[in-house]
Amino acid sequence: GQQLNQSPQSMFIQEGEDVSMNCTSSSIFNTWLWYKQDPGEGPVLLIALYKAGELTSNGRLTAQFGITRKDSFLNISASIPSDVGIYFCAGASGANSKLTFGKGITLSVRP
Amino acid sequence: GAGVSQSPSNKVTEKGKDVELRCDPISGHTALYWYRQSLGQGLEFLIYFQGNSAPDKSGLPSDRFSAERTGGSVSTLTIQRTQQEDSAVYLCASSFTKGIGELFFGEGSRLTVL
Repeated sequence: GQQLNQSPQSMFIQEGEDVSMNCTSSSIFNTWLWYKQDPGEGPVLLIALYKAGELTSNGRLTAQFGITRKDSFLNISASIPSDVGIYFCAGASGANSKLTFGKGITLSVRP
Repeated sequence: GAGVSQSPSNKVTEKGKDVELRCDPISGHTALYWYRQSLGQGLEFLIYFQGNSAPDKSGLPSDRFSAERTGGSVSTLTIQRTQQEDSAVYLCASSFTKGIGELFFGEGSRLTVL
């Protein structure tokens, strides 16, 4: 089946640093989404991308939909302690298809 | 409430017992999804409802798992004869649009099978 690859499993950065996360797939996706999950809560949508090559920002977050439609990245600039959490990428191949999620990257921010 | 509501938030059961997990989606959302999250794993798709019908139930792991949705609203995920490997957080999400839309997740039901 379709799989999304996220690595590494954990990232540790210093407060104020920028961080970039990648998500790759062997299959083409037509929609890419990035979610963040805080402990004990459900994932919350950060950014949605619907067009190959699209670059979208949401505050300190920037995400891009890869031109090959097989990858996406998320950048967080000037990290702060509340950026801690698990970041999931998710993709869908068609208008009526389910979302496939990556395994997530756990981000830790040292003050 | 304004968000997706799930109950119970925590459930501990003995191996072999049946459990029911409930999801109350955001009012007006026609699409409803169940995902399972195990420790260190991503979100594993289980089943998707559009209205009361389930066009995609391909993710249900075995015939011990079933789900229904009534009145285009509340959904119940039932696990029969629970096994220890069923222990996970079961997340429900709803979406306003058919197919791909922005999913809004509940806080999940944590199931522990002893």
